[in-house]
Amino acid sequence: GDSVTQMEGPVTLSEEAFLTINCTYTATGYPSLFWYVQYPGEGLQLLLKATKADDKGSNKGFEATYRKETTSFHLEKGSVQVSDSAVYFCALSDGGGGADGLTFGKGTHLIIQP
Amino acid sequence: SQTIHQWPATLVQPVGSPLSLECTVEGTSNPNLYWYRQAAGRGLQLLFYSVGIGQISSEVPQNLSASRPQDRQFILSSKKLLLSDSGFYLCAWSVNSGSYEQYFGPGTRLTVT
Repeated sequence: GDSVTQMEGPVTLSEEAFLTINCTYTATGYPSLFWYVQYPGEGLQLLLKATKADDKGSNKGFEATYRKETTSFHLEKGSVQVSDSAVYFCALSDGGGGADGLTFGKGTHLIIQP
Repeated sequence: SQTIHQWPATLVQPVGSPLSLECTVEGTSNPNLYWYRQAAGRGLQLLFYSVGIGQISSEVPQNLSASRPQDRQFILSSKKLLLSDSGFYLCAWSVNSGSYEQYFGPGTRLTVT
């Protein structure tokens, strides 16, 4: 079956540091890939997405590139802020007519220190 | 624009009591609807999904059930809660677009005592 693997953390960085959160996946076919962010006590928010190989998703300074050859979708940000502290989930959808749930990684807890 | 509501936001219930959590979506028609549970370890578990009124698929057999009485309403229920039912319950919706992303509600924090 499909699976998503990401570092669980916590990942602790200083403000303005460069961020990378690794995500690799296994799936049949050509999945769509997503990054979600969850702030404490809230639901998940879609951060960015990519639907085909070499697509780059970007939003709020975050970027991730769909790498089919390495089955990866690493999240990056050039300069993190304290407000970026949250849990980040990598996820995939294998299409399935849209009727199936997403396959999520276990989430990476990111802590940004001032 | 589309919005998704969940209530209640928090709930404390004794073991053996019934449960009803409600989710409604506005601004879209015939969405796919989902219930997830997030335990303390942060991972998300898909519980149920629905592609239309009265159509429910269960991913994990357990103490819970779901119903979809209206196009944009999704209800999670239990007749008798267990301690292990505690968690953060998230409702989500999607439409049959090319990428199938899902949009999540604010969640319900359930504590079974």
